[in-house]
Amino acid sequence: GENVEQHPSTLSVQEGDSAVIKCTYSDSASNYFPWYKQELGKGPQLIIDIRSNVGEKKDQRIAVTLNKTAKHFSLHITETQPEDSAVYFCAATGNTGGFKTIFGAGTRLFVKA
Amino acid sequence: GAVVSQHPSRVICKSGTSVKIECRSLDFQATTMFWYRQFPKQSLMLMATSNEGSKATYEQGVEKDKFLINHASLTLSTLTVTSAHPEDSSFYICSARWGADQPQHFGDGTRLSIL
Repeated sequence: GENVEQHPSTLSVQEGDSAVIKCTYSDSASNYFPWYKQELGKGPQLIIDIRSNVGEKKDQRIAVTLNKTAKHFSLHITETQPEDSAVYFCAATGNTGGFKTIFGAGTRLFVKA
Repeated sequence: GAVVSQHPSRVICKSGTSVKIECRSLDFQATTMFWYRQFPKQSLMLMATSNEGSKATYEQGVEKDKFLINHASLTLSTLTVTSAHPEDSSFYICSARWGADQPQHFGDGTRLSIL
């Protein structure tokens, strides 16, 4: 079945620096890749997503890139702020197995002021 | 848009009690709803997938008689933890989506504590 690996598990950056979180997936049929941010005690919130027909997508300080050949996708956060501190999950959805979404293990991001 | 409401947010009850958690999609019709369990500092563990009007599909290792799921309408799914015991204490989160290739939108979770 599909497997999604996410790295790093913990990331600490200084305020204003960039943060990059990387994921790889195993199922070449995966075609939709959402990213979620989860704050303490809350449910995950969708922050950006990308489909397999696009290589890059940007929304203000957040961008996601996708390399279908290598089965890699990454989240880039620029000009990090303390409120960006949270757990981030990548995920992959494909049309096998009933469009099940497989989540990565999560990255705990700390932005130091 | 795409708001999912989950209630209650916190439940504390005695061992042996059954607990019902509601998940509602407020501004869209959810063809599919999902129930997850999350342990501290871990990822989301899918428990079951629920399609409106049909029986839920449970993941391997999840007891369907223990975790009863009902998806009676396109905007409401419920999870009932029957005869809950301390080992059922966890953070339960629901999500909903309106199409197979659409994102899941999550509720804010329910912290269940069984004494």
